[in-house]
Amino acid sequence: DAGVTQSPTHLIKTRGQQVTLRCSPKSGHDTVSWYQQALGQGPQFIFQYYEEEERQRGNFPDRFSGHQFPNYSSELNVNALLLGDSALYLCASSLGDRGYTFGSGTRLTVV
Amino acid sequence: AQSVAQPEDQVNVAEGNPLTVKCTYSVSGNPYLFWYVQYPNRGLQFLLKYITGDNLVKGSYGFEAEFNKSQTSFHLKKPSALVSDSALYFCAVRSGYSSASKIIFGSGTRLSIRP
Repeated sequence: DAGVTQSPTHLIKTRGQQVTLRCSPKSGHDTVSWYQQALGQGPQFIFQYYEEEERQRGNFPDRFSGHQFPNYSSELNVNALLLGDSALYLCASSLGDRGYTFGSGTRLTVV
Repeated sequence: AQSVAQPEDQVNVAEGNPLTVKCTYSVSGNPYLFWYVQYPNRGLQFLLKYITGDNLVKGSYGFEAEFNKSQTSFHLKKPSALVSDSALYFCAVRSGYSSASKIIFGSGTRLSIRP
């Protein structure tokens, strides 16, 4: 049974560019949450998707947007990249009131 | 608003000694508490959770955590530390049991076990 899969594992983008990160949830999970983890910090909640809609959102600007597909997979899009967007982006999937299963993350470096 | 505090950036323990990693929380309603561990360049791995019931929760790799409602704490403990326990540990809280509530993480505590 595959866990949470994130792609790509690493990428480098130039300031001002746009990026799309992808997440496939654990089999049977229907909810996807995205987190940003800057170096040396705890994960910060970006948003959560359920039934193809954004259900909750953290304190992130509109440059951060997402999508959930009918198969429960999800994308995180970031526009107009800033140097401060460099971080590990974590996807977590869940079902009901159970805890999260995390992917290994995507390391984004903005230069 | 919910929040989590991990007052220690780093905890250093000798192998074989007991360890404690501290966590306090603030939520409205019933807390749903977690501990996760993170190894370098990896995602977070679930250790244990508290929903309700017994205040002492047992989890993976010999870890346990004690829920104290009056002190709003959820400290992680292990009776005998291993060098392989060295990693970054995160406490997390969700307000209530609904999956619609987001999980909020603390800033993390780096646990270093010396041989």
